[in-house]
Amino acid sequence: DTGVSQDPRHKITKRGQNVTFRCDPISEHNRLYWYRQTLGQGPEFLTYFQNEAQLEKSRLLSDRFSAERPKGSFSTLEIQRTEQGDSAMYLCASSLGAGGFGDTQYFGPGTRLTVL
Amino acid sequence: KNEVEQSPQNLTAQEGEFITINCSYSVGISALHWLQQHPGGGIVSLFMLSSGKKKHGRLIATINIQEKHSSLHITASHPRDSAVYICAVGGNSGGSNYKLTFGKGTLLTVNP
Repeated sequence: DTGVSQDPRHKITKRGQNVTFRCDPISEHNRLYWYRQTLGQGPEFLTYFQNEAQLEKSRLLSDRFSAERPKGSFSTLEIQRTEQGDSAMYLCASSLGAGGFGDTQYFGPGTRLTVL
Repeated sequence: KNEVEQSPQNLTAQEGEFITINCSYSVGISALHWLQQHPGGGIVSLFMLSSGKKKHGRLIATINIQEKHSSLHITASHPRDSAVYICAVGGNSGGSNYKLTFGKGTLLTVNP
C-alpha cells in the first residue's frame, strides 16, 4: 500500500495524558497537512509542512499541540495534557506540492482519539 | 457565517436518480475541491477545479467563479455512492492555496 498511513488508528486515553500520532505520507510528496474533524463537522486545518518546514499553524492549535516533520518524511502530532475537548478524528494528508494554484491532497485513514 | 456552505445537509435518493449537491463560498479562492468520505473516516479527493467543469465517470463538478458557487452532480446514482460529500476551498491569500477550508458536508443516502 503506497497511500498515506497513520498510526494508531484508535487511541483512548485519560484526561491529562500525553498522546502522539504518526503520519507517513506518500513518499514523493513534499507537503503534509494535519486536520481535525469532530462529529458532524468538516475537517479543520491544524498545520502544514513543506518538506521539514512547518509553514503555518492554525489558531486552533493551542500550546499543548506540537507537530514535527524532522526529515521531511513522516510527521508526528503530539497533544500534551489531553482534555475531553481534544476528542476527535485527526487526519493527515499529503500532496505533491507541484501545483501553482493548489494540488490534490491524499488523505490517510485518520486516528480517532477519545479522551475519557 | 461559515466561509463554505453546502446544501442540502442530508439527501436521500432512489437508485438511478440524478443528484446535485451545492457549495457556496464567500472568500477568494485558488481552487475548489470535492471530496468523498465513507463511514469510518476515509476521505478521497474527487475533483480539484478552478474554472469550468470536470467529469469523471458518473460524477460531474462545475464551478462559477463569479457567483462563488460550485455543484457536484451524480448521474444514475447507485447505493455505493452513499457517503458524505465535502466541498473545500483553497485560499488565494498571499499564495496560501494549500490551506483548505471545508464545508460541513452533505450526507447522501441512495436507496436500492
